[in-house]
Amino acid sequence: GAGVSQSPSNKVTEKGKDVELRCDPISGHTALYWYRQSLGQGLEFLIYFQGNSAPDKSGLPSDRFSAERTGGSVSTLTIQRTQQEDSAVYLCASSLGGLNQPQHFGDGTRLSIL
Amino acid sequence: RKEVEQDPGPFNVPEGATVAFNCTYSNSASQSFFWYRQDCRKEPKLLMSVYSSGNEDGRFTAQLNRASQYISLLIRDSKLSDSATYLCVVPSTGANNLFFGTGTRLTVIP
Repeated sequence: GAGVSQSPSNKVTEKGKDVELRCDPISGHTALYWYRQSLGQGLEFLIYFQGNSAPDKSGLPSDRFSAERTGGSVSTLTIQRTQQEDSAVYLCASSLGGLNQPQHFGDGTRLSIL
Repeated sequence: RKEVEQDPGPFNVPEGATVAFNCTYSNSASQSFFWYRQDCRKEPKLLMSVYSSGNEDGRFTAQLNRASQYISLLIRDSKLSDSATYLCVVPSTGANNLFFGTGTRLTVIP
């Protein structure tokens, strides 16, 4: 079946612009996760949705970052007024249940801020 | 102490060797553990889930030591295709968070 789909796969934008990243989870997966991975670094957990709600948003790096999920399916991660340090691969994953379930990752969005 | 710690390596082993990595975790109440592998510039892929004492899948064995709070991954008869970074993941208990180790880099040499 279809896996986790992320778009765009690559995004290059100028500093100060807003960007919106999209994640389409595996059908039926109630949990959705966003991560960030900078070059050569480990994964940084950003936020987790169970259904449409995110119990804890403290992992988001700053108030320029926001995420939403509607209809228990697609999620968008928005970064406002992008900075060069936002350049990274943004990975989305989904799982059948909550945090104690294995996750399936999308291919990621490679974001480059000029 | 970090929530999850791994030896970053690199581990360079010859084909056919047996290699083991450890991952230590700080929360004694943790109930589930995962090993993922990540190839260079690719997304992580689930390798193994551990909910009790351990798990085995072919050449791969994960063992949980609750007393010492670590989980190990053993790879037998290493293949060139096993070269990757192996990530240890431990969900938090109580908080809605996941803790990833920084990964252990394995290179299998012909």
